[in-house]
Amino acid sequence: DGGITQSPKYLFRKEGQNVTLSCEQNLNHDAMYWYRQDPGQGLRLIYYSQIVNDFQKGDIAEGYSVSREKKESFPLTVTSAQKNPTAFYLCASSLHRGRGTEAFFGQGTRLTVV
Amino acid sequence: AQSVTQLDSHVSVSEGTPVLLRCNYSSSYSPSLFWYVQHPNKGLQLLLKYTSAATLVKGINGFEAEFKKSETSFHLTKPSAHMSDAAEYFCVVSEGPRGSYIPTFGRGTSLIVHP
Repeated sequence: DGGITQSPKYLFRKEGQNVTLSCEQNLNHDAMYWYRQDPGQGLRLIYYSQIVNDFQKGDIAEGYSVSREKKESFPLTVTSAQKNPTAFYLCASSLHRGRGTEAFFGQGTRLTVV
Repeated sequence: AQSVTQLDSHVSVSEGTPVLLRCNYSSSYSPSLFWYVQHPNKGLQLLLKYTSAATLVKGINGFEAEFKKSETSFHLTKPSAHMSDAAEYFCVVSEGPRGSYIPTFGRGTSLIVHP
């Protein structure tokens, strides 16, 4: 089955540690996105990538880093510089063929700092 | 620049009554508009999308939305609510070229369905 796989589903991190969230897609999509979801704030864009080996900052990139070495994979690292990392993180992908192209989402990773 | 405003953070209805979730958008170009649904601790599922064809768009599970350019609105409706419709709903806009078709989300509307 084609889709987007995020792992792990739940993640606990101690303060001061970096942690990496995995996102893999087998839809042959060009574009991939990372969003952060907090109650009442909708989804806010962290980073996006429209082509391999290239990515752009979104609205809330501070304290996060990404890589796009393969078309299928777009891991997100939450660094110790992120002041409030506890949140639900969603990865998405799309064909990036322009108008009307919808995004497909993974099931999310809930990160909790302990 | 593109943006989305969902006018209600919570909407409460009784089962069997109509649903209206309101969305206004701002866009410098002819936008694409989407509604997604999210059940607790899950990813997002596409309900429907508007891409400049018919202004009344039909989606899954009996939902539909009407694109009104003069009002910059894209409200989501359903004639009769079901208990399984209880979820978070997001209105989304994407535009090009500077928008690069990056989806921009509203803050969400929580739909509560009472028996």
